[in-house]
Amino acid sequence: QKEVEQNSGPLSVPEGAIASLNCTYSDRGSQSFFWYRQYSGKSPELIMFIYSNGDKEDGRFTAQLNKASQYVSLLIRDSQPSDSATYLCAPSAGTALIFGKGTTLSVSS
Amino acid sequence: DVKVTQSSRYLVKRTGEKVFLECVQDMDHENMFWYRQDPGLGLRLIYFSYDVKMKEKGDIPEGYSVSREKKERFSLILESASTNQTSMYLCASSSGRNEKLFFGSGTQLSVL
Repeated sequence: QKEVEQNSGPLSVPEGAIASLNCTYSDRGSQSFFWYRQYSGKSPELIMFIYSNGDKEDGRFTAQLNKASQYVSLLIRDSQPSDSATYLCAPSAGTALIFGKGTTLSVSS
Repeated sequence: DVKVTQSSRYLVKRTGEKVFLECVQDMDHENMFWYRQDPGLGLRLIYFSYDVKMKEKGDIPEGYSVSREKKERFSLILESASTNQTSMYLCASSSGRNEKLFFGSGTQLSVL
């Protein structure tokens, strides 16, 4: 059984701080890594993805991969109250995405 | 933009009924997926399909079946609905393996 582990939170940060979200995965064959954001009552929406060849920065978001430790992280700089949501990690190894249970982020103004 | 449309936003059914959840995507995606989402359990994969008339079991296929007669449409069938199938059901599609998923808006199913 492929496993994806995330700390459920809530992770609470003040507005303007850096939020760090982490995810560990069991499948060493994972080749791409997706981060989805899900607001309460809504569907997940993709915010970042990286391939196994490196990290990626997109605006306030940075995704980092440590393949040796089977660990992927999402950093959100200058956190805003609108970033308050559940963040889902999903590694992909060529079959269907298996999601972690998600980390709930709360950004206070 | 890719659009994944699920036929119902809310559905209430009785125990033992046969339930059909429909999903249509408009971007000619090869792959389609059905997940259910429950508080504390996250998103769990029920079934997926890489091509017309093909299907693969996910992590929790028991009590469900699927149909993909056309590329754009993927149906989830609850043969005999039970109360433990009360959940949010999410359909998704992607253009290929290792590619991002696009989700529909979900169907909140209540089985009474």
